[in-house]
Amino acid sequence: QSVLTQPPSVSGAPGQRVTISCTGSSSNIGAGYDVHWYQQLPGTAPKLLIYGNSNRPSGVPDRFSGSKSGTSASLAITGLQAEDEADYYCQSYDSSLSGLHVVFGGGTKLTVL
Amino acid sequence: EVQLVESGGGLVQPGRSLRLSCAASGFTFDDYAMHWVRQAPGKGLEWVSGISWNSGSIGYADSVKGRFTISRDNAKNSLYLQMNSLRAEDTALYYCAKDRGGTLEDWGQGTLVTVSS
Repeated sequence: QSVLTQPPSVSGAPGQRVTISCTGSSSNIGAGYDVHWYQQLPGTAPKLLIYGNSNRPSGVPDRFSGSKSGTSASLAITGLQAEDEADYYCQSYDSSLSGLHVVFGGGTKLTVL
Repeated sequence: EVQLVESGGGLVQPGRSLRLSCAASGFTFDDYAMHWVRQAPGKGLEWVSGISWNSGSIGYADSVKGRFTISRDNAKNSLYLQMNSLRAEDTALYYCAKDRGGTLEDWGQGTLVTVSS
């Protein structure tokens, strides 16, 4: 059971727009901690996609965007391409009783139809 | 170019120990916090442990607390994970990652740990 909740899967046709949600609580996203997103292509290490809720690292297409509101965050992908088929993870921090921890969502598998 | 190269994985029996290493290059290692993140076969990412630039702040996931120890040697540009009392559920690909402002900005390719008799 992940601290951050993501849908297990989403899908869309090429050219369409999809969103992936990431729901947390008052001890993580709601406490003001930033949300970051990672893309993991099959058989490869995760790659930073969005940092600080809505910022794109150099080289990430502007088809990818992130937002945060309250205890949730979202990743939006517009103009879907076949190469976007991957697993996507959100990440934040959580100030639980046992200290400040990095937390991940359970991951969302994006299928391009 | 940032490079993170993990090593030390392998097949180990339950209850035994293993030490993972992560060799860093291409950046000023002692400027950054570092983390270990694992991924069990077919599963999602799980944060294991993190350490600040000067080892002054260390954290562990509840699942490994008391069994795993993270450390770093800034003179050798290296990160370590000492894993004791290994269990079958520790079987995973272990990644080291560089932390920039709370973001895991760069990742290694991982080293596989298999715990089995």
